[in-house]
Amino acid sequence: ILNVEQSPQSLHVQEGDSTNFTCSFPSSNFYALHWYRWETAKSPEALFVMTLNGDEKKKGRISATLNTKEGYSYLYIKGSQPEDSATYLCAPRSGANNLFFGTGTRLTVIP
Amino acid sequence: EAQVTQNPRYLITVTGKKLTVTCSQNMNHEYMSWYRQDPGLGLRQIYYSMNVEVTDKGDVPEGYKVSRKEKRNFPLILESPSPNQTSLYFCASSLWLAGTDTQYFGPGTRLTVL
Repeated sequence: ILNVEQSPQSLHVQEGDSTNFTCSFPSSNFYALHWYRWETAKSPEALFVMTLNGDEKKKGRISATLNTKEGYSYLYIKGSQPEDSATYLCAPRSGANNLFFGTGTRLTVIP
Repeated sequence: EAQVTQNPRYLITVTGKKLTVTCSQNMNHEYMSWYRQDPGLGLRQIYYSMNVEVTDKGDVPEGYKVSRKEKRNFPLILESPSPNQTSLYFCASSLWLAGTDTQYFGPGTRLTVL
């Protein structure tokens, strides 16, 4: 079992604000880091998969960076919109066959 | 349409009454997995399967069984459900689990055991 920490647990931002949150994981035996977006009453959907130290991925207004040496990843949302309201999950994979999910950051964007 | 389906979506049952939650994927994925999600906890893996007839325990396998007789199906079986198995269950699949394969999740099954 991997110790995965996401912070903050929840946050509220105003529409138009940019925001970011963190996923921390053990840096040893790192293989890949997944980000998922989970809207209420739906199922988690994949955002990014990152493998290399220094990786940056972008999808629209959402981007992510990866630091495998120190064991963290940041997710950024630029100009938050109400439809960005969701729980954002990170899941690192080490040498094992499985992903270990963090408890998520619950984002609420206030119109 | 590529998808993972689960049935039932909602189930209320009583302690000790055997139940099965079905999971099926139409993407020819090798890897399938079951998770449960409880308030304040991340998705926790119950069982996973790397291929037909190959299954293995995840982090919280107690009280559950699975089978993988065909590639597309991965049912979750609760032989004698107890109230602590009340939870939201997700089935997921991926082409493989080579670290970079995206997992596709089913719609979830909300189970209540009285």
